[in-house]
Amino acid sequence: EDQVTQSPEALRLQEGESSSLNCSYTVSGLRGLFWYRQDPGKGPEFLFTLYSAGEEKEKERLKATLTKKESFLHITAPKPEDSATYLCAVQARQGAQKLVFGQGTRLTINP
Amino acid sequence: DTEVTQTPKHLVMGMTNKKSLKCEQHMGHRAMYWYKQKAKKPPELMFVYSYEKLSINESVPSRFSPECPNSSLLNLHLHALQPEDSALYLCASSLTSGGAGDTQYFGPGTRLTVL
Repeated sequence: EDQVTQSPEALRLQEGESSSLNCSYTVSGLRGLFWYRQDPGKGPEFLFTLYSAGEEKEKERLKATLTKKESFLHITAPKPEDSATYLCAVQARQGAQKLVFGQGTRLTINP
Repeated sequence: DTEVTQTPKHLVMGMTNKKSLKCEQHMGHRAMYWYKQKAKKPPELMFVYSYEKLSINESVPSRFSPECPNSSLLNLHLHALQPEDSALYLCASSLTSGGAGDTQYFGPGTRLTVL
């Protein structure tokens, strides 16, 4: 069964304190791994799509990386406005119409 | 432009009411999705439309009835809902359904409260 596990569940950082969020997955053939950001009461906002191990993508203070078993979302010098829930989802070869989501990491950046 | 719009933003309804949620995208996407999201949980897939035909129904109760009038519009008709159906309802779209790395873009959601 395809599965996605995100850790930690919640993370509190001081402004400027860099860290990483983890997304571990087991799928029957990866077609894509997606990172989303979600603010309370709003829809998920697309951040990155990664396709194959070794791939990296960056956007402002965020950098996503992918290995054969996990993905990391690195946050460099975060600001309070980076506070949100970060969701990881995978698209498997079987059942490719569906995304399998992790439970999310709730990130809080204190000023 | 990667915008998916949803109306209304908020909806309060009684258990005997009939209401509809609407979703629209103008990105030329041919796949559209309905998700339900409870607090502190990830989105949970309900329905998938591919080229205006229902391709996935995740065993959703019949009190939820989806409709795809054309490639840009998706509706969710609600009837005789239960209080436990209160949630954030999200619409999403993607270029195709099942294409490798096909990114789903989400709308802002409709916050539904069933009294």
